[in-house]
Amino acid sequence: DSGVTQTPKHLITATGQRVTLRCSPRSGDLSVYWYQQSLDQGLQFLIQYYNGEERAKGNILERFSAQQFPDLHSELNLSSLELGDSALYFCASSGPGDWETQYFGPGTRLLVL
Amino acid sequence: AQSVAQPEDQVNVAEGNPLTVKCTYSVSGNPYLFWYVQYPNRGLQFLLKYITGDNLVKGSYGFEAEFNKSQTSFHLKKPSALVSDSALYFCAVSLPAYSGAGSYQLTFGKGTKLSVIP
Repeated sequence: DSGVTQTPKHLITATGQRVTLRCSPRSGDLSVYWYQQSLDQGLQFLIQYYNGEERAKGNILERFSAQQFPDLHSELNLSSLELGDSALYFCASSGPGDWETQYFGPGTRLLVL
Repeated sequence: AQSVAQPEDQVNVAEGNPLTVKCTYSVSGNPYLFWYVQYPNRGLQFLLKYITGDNLVKGSYGFEAEFNKSQTSFHLKKPSALVSDSALYFCAVSLPAYSGAGSYQLTFGKGTKLSVIP
């Protein structure tokens, strides 16, 4: 168990809908990263937050957004969902003394029908 | 842009035999290199990393990896494979702009499925 928690574990929704994925980092970690894992694209970095502020952006669609709250948990918002958004979404966290090592949560499996 | 290649989609090895999972990278500068393992329906577990120093790094569960700068490779190895090592293995690279609380976004390879045959 990495200490990173993600909810929900599974999510089934319809095209055009909006969902929110939640991530709680390991105790003491200030950085949260979001990744998408799909069969065709593999594992891709989406976005990083550090202590409440956006730090880096990757291949994140404009329909997707994220934020990190004062208690350091993070949410990834996916809107106007398309079939191709079906994937496994991971968050990872890192913290002082070991900034470079990311510890991953169990993921949220999103299925868009 | 940085990239990671894992040339083998699948590696089969007999239990008790040594295993190697290959990884090569392309990046400008001095990369940080990582190996992660993913078991079915689970998240990624950190195995080991190379930042600097000794080219041979040791990690969890008896795994080790050798950094070779001239060949831009970071192959994962284990002297004696276990059936429980069967999983999906990912090599990843990050190229932080600065140390400390910077950005260490990972670029992953496509993964190699390791099957250890009893």
